[in-house]
Amino acid sequence: GAGVSQTPSNKVTEKGKYVELRCDPISGHTALYWYRQSLGQGPEFLIYFQGTGAADDSGLPNDRFFAVRPEGSVSTLKIQRTERGDSAVYLCASSEQGLGNTEAFFGQGTRLTVV
Amino acid sequence: TQLLEQSPQFLSIQEGENLTVYCNSSSVFSSLQWYRQEPGEGPVLLVTVVTGGEVKKLKRLTFQFGDARKDSSLHITAAQPGDTGLYLCAGVGSNYQLIWGAGTKLIIKP
Repeated sequence: GAGVSQTPSNKVTEKGKYVELRCDPISGHTALYWYRQSLGQGPEFLIYFQGTGAADDSGLPNDRFFAVRPEGSVSTLKIQRTERGDSAVYLCASSEQGLGNTEAFFGQGTRLTVV
Repeated sequence: TQLLEQSPQFLSIQEGENLTVYCNSSSVFSSLQWYRQEPGEGPVLLVTVVTGGEVKKLKRLTFQFGDARKDSSLHITAAQPGDTGLYLCAGVGSNYQLIWGAGTKLIIKP
């Protein structure tokens, strides 16, 4: 596609439920990043994929969070047993390869609200 | 741990005024990027600075990278309401991770 696409754009879920957030990166981009952003704050790094593998998952807050990218394109961020503190905008970005001096293109994000 | 501190966190000024946003760290970055984010959108890259002391201009925006590549500034001349948004700096760390500042929320009043 022309840009990074994230679905759904909004998700409201009950505390304790499981959610999946999807990211479609720009075609051909090997690097994919997930971030979480609270209102008025900068993005908080969660996980970085280079191709199909998670090159760095040090930002995942706990074992309730998991992400996959099985074919090196679409990625899914999975959150188990959601908590109210998980409420945030989840941003996905892709770039041609490791960021270096290349530009990261962001999706519009998925706003997750846990009630 | 590499950290980036942005200041001020919030700035509200009148149209036509000048302003400067700062991004500071104790760590050295291979390069530093400035992004602008509007409500409901993802951040969009404005500029990347690479060389210590480098200055880049984008219309009324002037970006500077510190000589030691630890800090950067964004100066806006004659601010306009269309400049309103969240300005984010991000340093490219040793493993190509982006280290983000918390952002400066800028409001330009007509």
